[in-house]
This record gives sequence, structure tokens and C-alpha cells, in this order.
Amino acid sequence: GAVVSQHPSRVICKSGTSVKIECRSLDFQATTMFWYRQFPKKSLMLMATSNEGSKATYEQGVEKDKFLINHASLTLSTLTVTSAHPEDSSFYICSARRDGTDTQYFGPGTRLTVL
Amino acid sequence: SQQGEEDPQALSIQEGENATMNCSYKTSINNLQWYRQNSGRGLVHLILIRSNEREKHSGRLRVTLDTSKKSSSLLITASRAADTASYFCAHNSGGSNYKLTFGKGTLLTVNP
Repeated sequence: GAVVSQHPSRVICKSGTSVKIECRSLDFQATTMFWYRQFPKKSLMLMATSNEGSKATYEQGVEKDKFLINHASLTLSTLTVTSAHPEDSSFYICSARRDGTDTQYFGPGTRLTVL
Repeated sequence: SQQGEEDPQALSIQEGENATMNCSYKTSINNLQWYRQNSGRGLVHLILIRSNEREKHSGRLRVTLDTSKKSSSLLITASRAADTASYFCAHNSGGSNYKLTFGKGTLLTVNP
């Protein structure tokens, strides 16, 4: 159990377009999900905490209008990168905290390349 | 912000040897977790140790926690080539948000 999926796994887009990434907990409920960004050979940087039914909490320095987060159900959170630019190219990873536990389970990540 | 520090940043060993990775943090914690990441992939949860625990085992993994020194270690015994990956510690400082702060990670290479 405790599987988290992300879709798409890889996306290439043009500058100025928007890209939506989905994060799903497949076999458990997750009121809280998290979105991270990871640069090559670096650690994970928390972008925002996504809570079902309420607004996301963004970390300092992360533009909420740039990275739109929606957590519409207990198993799905989406991250939309709006008006993407080449500097948004990165590896985006989500995690889902199983309700009632402290453990976060991570998705396989989405590689975003903005041309 | 990422406040955890891990050492070494990179570790290269032979199959069969033990690998020890260390992690330090700066705040009080509720728990500390270790994750593994293969190149370009997501993170796999390895083990969680709570602030009131000192040692925990899971298969070939042994994790220790010293809250007085704000440090933790991950020991992998009898390493295998398949253990080659990056290993991250992440701590949760409590509160209702369950946020994790990740260390910088250790890249472990196990040579066959």
C-alpha cells in the first residue's frame, strides 16, 4: 500500500504556456499533500503545503500566482505552473501524508522542461 | 528552507561493506525520517524514528537518533550494488502542518 502517482512523468512545453501536474494517492486518503522542487544533484525544496478543501500554504519566496495548487479531494492535488519560463524547468515531486500518520509517501516526480 | 546537513556528501564503498551516513539538524524535532532516491526518481520512505526513540532497525538498516546532539545516522549493513542511490534525512518539527525539512543528501555508490 501507500502508492502515490504523478502525471505526467515528463513534459516539455513552450515559454508562456501553463502546465498542470497531478498528484494522486492511490490507496489511502491524504488530507495533506506537499509539493517540492528539486534541482539536479540537490535536495528537495518545499514549495507549498496543500490541504484538501482549503487554500495552500506557500513557502517563503514561492509565488502563489505562479504555482497554482488545488486540492479538490482526499486523493488528488494539482500543481499548475502558469506562464512557464525556462527557469521553471525542474523536477517537481509531490508527497501525500497518509491521514492519521506522520509518514509522507512520495510520487515518482515530473520532469518539466520549458523551451 | 533546507536546514539539514548530511555527511558525507558522497560515499563510495565495495559490495559487502557497511555504509554509514550522518545527518544533523538545528531545531527540536517530532520525528526524523530517512528516504532513498534513485537518480531521476521519486523518494522511497525507509524508516521513521521518533524523538523519544534512540535506535530503530529495519532489515539491513539501522537508524540512531541523538536529540542532545541533534543528529541521526543511517547504517546500511552488507551493502549491495542495488543500494546505490541518494539518501536523505528529513525532520518534522511538530505542529499541525507535518512539514519535512530535508537534508542535502548523501550519494552512496556501492561498487560490485
